[in-house]
Amino acid sequence: GAVVSQHPSRVICKSGTSVKIECRSLDFQATTMFWYRQFPKQSLMLMATSNEGSKATYEQGVEKDKFLINHASLTLSTLTVTSAHPEDSSFYICSARGGTPAGGEQFFGPGTRLTVL
Amino acid sequence: LAKTTQPISMDSYEGQEVNITCSHNNIATNDYITWYQQFPSQGPRFIIQGYKTKVTNEVASLFIPADRKSSTLSLPRVSLSDTAVYYCLVGVPYNQGGKLIFGQGTELSVKP
Repeated sequence: GAVVSQHPSRVICKSGTSVKIECRSLDFQATTMFWYRQFPKQSLMLMATSNEGSKATYEQGVEKDKFLINHASLTLSTLTVTSAHPEDSSFYICSARGGTPAGGEQFFGPGTRLTVL
Repeated sequence: LAKTTQPISMDSYEGQEVNITCSHNNIATNDYITWYQQFPSQGPRFIIQGYKTKVTNEVASLFIPADRKSSTLSLPRVSLSDTAVYYCLVGVPYNQGGKLIFGQGTELSVKP
């Protein structure tokens, strides 16, 4: 099956710093990538949808200036949490969807655990 | 998108059959029902999808009554490794793109 990776798997940073999370589709071209966040014991919440080469579409209530998304190539999307604060600590998960062999199915990455001190 | 309601948690023992029911009273004619599984600190993975009646694969079965207002995921003879959160989603087929909106999910705990 299609494989999606995320890097880093865990990151700890100080309050006020920015953190970049990478999402890569390893064996297919992802025309669309999605970013989710998940707090402990809660469900996944869709943050934004990004299409290669265009601006991301953010869900209501998600600050686009705080969560910068770049989908510059068909295999890479990045999420940058700017000026991170402790309340941004969460599990960030990406998914990718594209053409053959992935078809229209979303394949999820393993997630990135962000802890802001 | 149709709202889904699932039990928050369920307990089971190894070797038992587990049935998790999801209510989706406002399901639309074109909506499919899809179930995902998520292990702790991992991304979700697709389990099964159906539109009506019964669907079975190597992992689970999905039962959908005629009115499609609910569905039941059946896991045969669970093992400890089936301990996970199970999400019921209603919307476009999982392999036709579009947003996936996750509800609260059911936390299944399988005990020895």
